[in-house]
Amino acid sequence: KQEVTQIPAALSVPEGENLVLNCSFTDSAIYNLQWFRQDPGKGLTSLLLIQSSQREQTSGRLNASLDKSSGRSTLYIAASQPGDSATYLCAVSKDRGSTLGRLYFGRGTQLTVWP
Amino acid sequence: DTAVSQTPKYLVTQMGNDKSIKCEQNLGHDTMYWYKQDSKKFLKIMFSYNNKELIINETVPNRFSPKSPDKAHLNLHINSLELGDSAVYFCASSLARGTIGTYNEQFFGPGTRLTVL
Repeated sequence: KQEVTQIPAALSVPEGENLVLNCSFTDSAIYNLQWFRQDPGKGLTSLLLIQSSQREQTSGRLNASLDKSSGRSTLYIAASQPGDSATYLCAVSKDRGSTLGRLYFGRGTQLTVWP
Repeated sequence: DTAVSQTPKYLVTQMGNDKSIKCEQNLGHDTMYWYKQDSKKFLKIMFSYNNKELIINETVPNRFSPKSPDKAHLNLHINSLELGDSAVYFCASSLARGTIGTYNEQFFGPGTRLTVL
């Protein structure tokens, strides 16, 4: 059974800091890994998707890496801003079986960036 | 313009009632999902449909019945609501993996907050 763990559970930093959010998963047979952002009372916004064959993806100030063999991913946020405050969720999809796209979620990292 | 939409956004009802949540996507995707986010914010899949066919059915009570009239819609009907059904329900969609040029990136709706009194 796939289990996804995110560390830390919460993070509070001053504006301008570079951040690293960690995600680990127990079964390396994944199809892809997706990072989401969830604002309070809102839905999930897809930030980055990394295919199992890829090592990293970048979008603006965000960079996500994937080490499939060790079951780890990191989300790097450069020059953090108050607008980055949200919960960041990591999710992996399975590689085997007829489970078309089922995502296994971590419990998220709640990020607060203060001015 | 909304890619994945859900109605209603909020739903407050009494125990024992039957209610439905509707989901529509205009992304041209062929796979749709229902997820439940509990009070501790943990997201877990409930159902998945591909081309109107049920693919994933997690251990969900029979009181929950998804209906997919077409590829763009996946509705969730809940019978005999219980207190424990209170949660936020998210609909999502994607293009099935295995199709050249697609990567099964999932896009989520804004959620429906269900409160059972």
